[in-house]
Amino acid sequence: DAGITQSPRYKITETGRQVTLMCHQTWSHSYMFWYRQDLGHGLRLIYYSAAADITDKGEVPDGYVVSRSKTENFPLTLESATRSQTSVYFCASRDGGNSGANVLTFGAGSRLTVL
Amino acid sequence: AQRVTQPEKLLSVFKGAPVELKCNYSYSGSPELFWYVQYSRQRLQLLLRHISRESIKGFTADLNKGETSFHLKKPFAQEEDSAMYYCALYNFNKFYFGSGTKLNVKP
Repeated sequence: DAGITQSPRYKITETGRQVTLMCHQTWSHSYMFWYRQDLGHGLRLIYYSAAADITDKGEVPDGYVVSRSKTENFPLTLESATRSQTSVYFCASRDGGNSGANVLTFGAGSRLTVL
Repeated sequence: AQRVTQPEKLLSVFKGAPVELKCNYSYSGSPELFWYVQYSRQRLQLLLRHISRESIKGFTADLNKGETSFHLKKPFAQEEDSAMYYCALYNFNKFYFGSGTKLNVKP
C-alpha cells in the first residue's frame, strides 16, 4: 500500500548520533504507531499517537522521542543512537473510527544499523 | 498485564501437511485477537481477525477463552504459506505482538 511510507528505508549511523525516521500516511488515520522488530522479541511498541499532538509511550520507549504536529506525519527520533537500537523499525496506522475493524496497516520498514 | 506468547520460533512442514501455529495470550478482559503475516520482501499484513470468524487463504483461527489460545490452522500447507506469522492482541488502542513463528513449507 502506497498510503503509508517510511524513510529512509536503510540507514547506517554511528553511536551517539541523532537519527530521525520518518513516517507519512495519506489516509488521515487518527492512530499511528512505531514498532521495532528484533529476532526473539517480535514486534515491540515504542510509541503511539492517537491524534495530532497526542502521543504516548509503548513497551520500549527509552532512547526514543516522537512528535506529531500533523496528522499525516509521525517521526521517530533516536536522540543519541546506541548499538542496541540496531533494528528494523515499522510504522503503522489505524483508522480511529468506530468501524470495529481495529486493523493496523504497516509501512515497509526502516532498517537501522548503529555502529 | 497483557501478553502474547508464540512458543515456536520455527515450524517446518511438508507441502500438503496440516499446520498449526500456536498463540497463547494473557488478558483479563475479552480479547480482540489477530494474526498478521509477513511474506518475504513484503509488508506485514493482516491475515485474519477472530471477530470476523473468517477463513483467509485456507487459514482459520478459533479463540479458546478457556485455554487462552488463538491457534492458527491450515489443513493442507502450501509452499506459498512460507512466511513469518505474528499473533497480536488489541487492548486500549494498542496492539501487542508475539515474538513470531517462521513457517517453512518444504516441497
